[in-house]
Order: sequence, then structure tokens, then C-alpha cells
Amino acid sequence: DTEVTQTPKHLVMGMTNKKSLKCEQHMGHRAMYWYKQKAKKPPELMFVYSYEKLSINESVPSRFSPECPNSSLLNLHLHALQPEDSALYLCASSQALGNQPQHFGDGTRLSIL
Amino acid sequence: QQQVKQSPQSLIVQKGGISIINCAYENTAFDYFPWYQQFPGKGPALLIAIRPDVSEKKEGRFTISFNKSAKQFSLHIMDSQPGDSATYFCAAPNQAGTALIFGKGTTLSVSS
Repeated sequence: DTEVTQTPKHLVMGMTNKKSLKCEQHMGHRAMYWYKQKAKKPPELMFVYSYEKLSINESVPSRFSPECPNSSLLNLHLHALQPEDSALYLCASSQALGNQPQHFGDGTRLSIL
Repeated sequence: QQQVKQSPQSLIVQKGGISIINCAYENTAFDYFPWYQQFPGKGPALLIAIRPDVSEKKEGRFTISFNKSAKQFSLHIMDSQPGDSATYFCAAPNQAGTALIFGKGTTLSVSS
């Protein structure tokens, strides 16, 4: 079992739907990350939060909207997604920004119809 | 753009053999080099990591070798087992040190 919990594990949605992905960690980590991973590819960084503040946005389309309500939770709000957005969405956390071990959840498998 | 170049793309090893995966980096400011193991349907799991003040780190059957002058680091899996069959990613910090850049991955198959 991983220490970073992501829900739901699978999500199928239409292009007009609004949904949210959730991530939770209780390791006291102050940096949290969203990655996108396509099949047979490495994870690609989307967003980084440090102390609940958005630190990095890797030019992600606005149809993806991150939120960090507190130090343990990270959400990714989805709206008007495209079929090419189908992927595994991974959340990770680390003690702080910088050269720290990152711990990943098992991801949400997202399919856009 | 910063890169971490990983090879080979795929690797087939007999049970009991040694698996070797290599990575090369560009940015000399990098000072943390982790390896991740990913099984199908799971997230990447931190396997082992090294900082450049040492040339080698060993944890059980897994060893990282680090060559600072060549800007390369490698993962050695000794006595490879079928349960080691997975995708392995090397990574290094980005220039700002705020996130990880991953290599393209190596799919390892250990045949019994």
C-alpha cells in the first residue's frame, strides 16, 4: 500500500462533464505534485504545490484546475476534457521542494469518451 | 531543455542474471539521482537513490553506480528475479531543483 492515496482509481467521463481527482497524504509532506502519464511513457509534471501555494504550472491547459485545500490534500478539477487527456494521473508528495524523495500514489486512470 | 537519457529501452534477462540500466544527465547542478520501479496499474515506487558525494550505493540486490565525470549513473540488479519484471525510470532534479525529470524508462523482463 502506498502512503499517498488517490481517488477514484478509475474514471470515465464525457467531454462536457466536470469531475475532480483527489489525493491525500499523511506523511507531513509540504510539497505535492500532479503528473500525467501516458502508456509506455514517463510521468510528465503538471503542477507543483509548496506549502499549499502553487509553485509550478507546466503550461497546463486551463481545463485542468489544481487546488490544495490544506497540507494533506490535493485536488485536480477537470472540465471539458479532450480524448487526448486520457491517461494515468499521478499524485506525489515530498518533504519539501528540492532534491527530496518523491512518493507516488497509484494514480487515477482517466478515460475521456 | 534538460534531459535525462536512459538506455536500453527494453531488456530481457535470464533469472539469476544481472540487469544493468544506464542514465546520462546534462545539468551538473543535479545532486540527487533516484530510480523508480513501476508495475502495471501502479504508481512509480522509489527503489533507490544516490547523491554525488558517493560513487556507489547498495540496497539488497540493487546497486546504483555513479560516475560524476562522465555524468552517468546506472542501476544494477543482481540475481534478477521474475518479480523484478517492471518498468524502471531514472530521474534527476530540474534546473530549479523543484521537480523531477524522468528518463524514458526501461522495460525489464526476467525470464524463468
